[in-house]
Formats: sequence, C-alpha cells, structure tokens
Amino acid sequence: AQTVTQSQPEMSVQEAETVTLSCTYDTSESDYYLFWYKQPPSRQMILVIRQEAYKQQNATENRFSVNFQKAAKSFSLKISDSQLGDAAMYFCAYEVDNDMRFGAGTRLTVKP
Amino acid sequence: DTAVSQTPKYLVTQMGNDKSIKCEQNLGHDTMYWYKQDSKKFLKIMFSYNNKELIINETVPNRFSPKSPDKAHLNLHINSLELGDSAVYFCASSPYGGTEAFFGQGTRLTVV
Repeated sequence: AQTVTQSQPEMSVQEAETVTLSCTYDTSESDYYLFWYKQPPSRQMILVIRQEAYKQQNATENRFSVNFQKAAKSFSLKISDSQLGDAAMYFCAYEVDNDMRFGAGTRLTVKP
Repeated sequence: DTAVSQTPKYLVTQMGNDKSIKCEQNLGHDTMYWYKQDSKKFLKIMFSYNNKELIINETVPNRFSPKSPDKAHLNLHINSLELGDSAVYFCASSPYGGTEAFFGQGTRLTVV
C-alpha cells in the first residue's frame, strides 16, 4: 500500500509570517490525488487544498499553496501571512481508487 | 443539515462489551470510509466502501465489522472491546475517487 510521510511532527510560525509543511509519498501509480487537511482542536477535519497528479500547475487557495514535485514524490504546503486561526494539526493525504491514506500529521503553532 | 453525521459522539464502555457506531451521509456520495485516530493523532484507514461494496479492508481485527445497509449509511460494529480500541473513530464520504472526503465529527470511544 502507498505510504505518506510527514517528517515534521511540530512546526512553529510567527503570526503574519510564512511556513512550509513537508510531505512525501511512495507510490507506483501515475494518476492519483493529493490533499492537505486541517484538524483544529474541535477535531473536525477540514480540506485545505487538493492537487491532481496529472496537473503540473500547483494548486492555490488564498493564503495556501502547494509545491508539487511529481518526480520527487513531494507535496509541501505553504501557508502565507499565518494567522492565529491556522493553528491546528495538518495532514497530508494521498488517494487512488477510493483508498485515501494519511501522513502522521504536523502540529502547527502560531505565535502572536 | 449535517452532511456526515456520526452517533454517538462519545462512547464509554467496559472491556468485553459489543458496541456500534452509526454513520449517515446526506450528500448522495458513493464512497464511505472508516478511520481510526489514535492518541498520537495518526489517522489509519480501516474500511472503504463504494456503492455498498467493500473496497478496502485494512489489517483490522475481525472484531470490527462494517455494515452498509444502503449507500447513505456505513455502521461500525465492534465485538469484545479491548483497551487498545480506545480512539476517535471517523466516518467520511466522498462523491467518487479523487474528490474531497467529508468527515463526520468523530466518535471518541473509551474502553475501561
């Protein structure tokens, strides 16, 4: 089965600064989908951004953008102008054929 | 209306008991999932269903049995509960492969 690795258990960023969360994955598939989810203390899982592997263009959603490197199997999330409300667990996910796998998560702290 | 709803939100039970967690989605989605989130926040896929058909059955003890009476429901039955089953269990649904998964609010199961 495919695996997803998030090598940063914890990250910290100053409010209004930029932070990048790392994610790598292992797969033999060529067509798949990648996601970043946010889980605040309320434990609700919220989609942050989605990327199709067949698209070379990096996805962006307001202050959130990704750096998708297909050959390197890397999918990092950049959060610009960090806000206090961005503090949460962030999970990278890989999906193919109704099989969605998650990384171990990165806990992001935002300092005022 | 809640898109993906799980009941109960909290469940405290004794070792050896049998319990069920119900999940319903009103989004008309074809795919439903069950995930287990342990105390370290790791999200592990347990089961994936597509149109009531079992797609993914991960290395889960056979004390766990999913039941999908129709496309909108995916219930989780757990027999002979053990201390190690304590976790948060999430139900999720998606329209089809490659799309965002919508999560329920989770069920915190505590086995004492």
